[in-house]
Amino acid sequence: AQRVTQPEKLLSVFKGAPVELKCNYSYSGSPELFWYVQYSRQRLQLLLRHISRESIKGFTADLNKGETSFHLKKPFAQEEDSAMYYCALQGAQKLVFGQGTRLTINP
Amino acid sequence: GAGVSQSPRYKVAKRGQDVALRCDPISGHVSLFWYQQALGQGPEFLTYFQNEAQLDKSGLPSDRFFAERPEGSVSTLKIQRTQQEDSAVYLCASSQGLRGVNTEAFFGQGTRLTVV
Repeated sequence: AQRVTQPEKLLSVFKGAPVELKCNYSYSGSPELFWYVQYSRQRLQLLLRHISRESIKGFTADLNKGETSFHLKKPFAQEEDSAMYYCALQGAQKLVFGQGTRLTINP
Repeated sequence: GAGVSQSPRYKVAKRGQDVALRCDPISGHVSLFWYQQALGQGPEFLTYFQNEAQLDKSGLPSDRFFAERPEGSVSTLKIQRTQQEDSAVYLCASSQGLRGVNTEAFFGQGTRLTVV
């Protein structure tokens, strides 16, 4: 079965501090992992995907198959990073989301 | 087009009423997904289409829920005899491909359904 777990519903850090949003997954095959973000009053949008190995808005995420994790990291948080973040897994077909983490950056 | 478009944006239905939610995906996108998002929760998968074929409907919560995409473009999610627990935001997403670099899912703004 496909499952994505985001253990933190809420995360609050100060501006300039490092951020790590945790994501663990369960999937027997070779998954594609994504992070989606939803800013206030906007639609859900892709932040980054593991196959691209890119950094978007200073965020990176490394797929660790041994730990079945895909944590999202940023070394220095900015106020505009405040949003809902969803980790997602695509198996053979469907895209499955975690419950989401609400990230708040305090000034 | 401008992206994935959903209508209506808001729908209030009396309990027991049937509703139909529409999704216009990005032109040429093969994959189309429907999700249900309850307040404070992540999107929960409902069903998936590859062109006109409904390949996965394992997430539909009951036989009151029905989705179709007859010509492989526009999709409709129908809920019969709505119940209060159906109140949620219904999201539609489409993607160009099946796997690899074209699997970015583009989301609509959702339809907020309130059953009273």
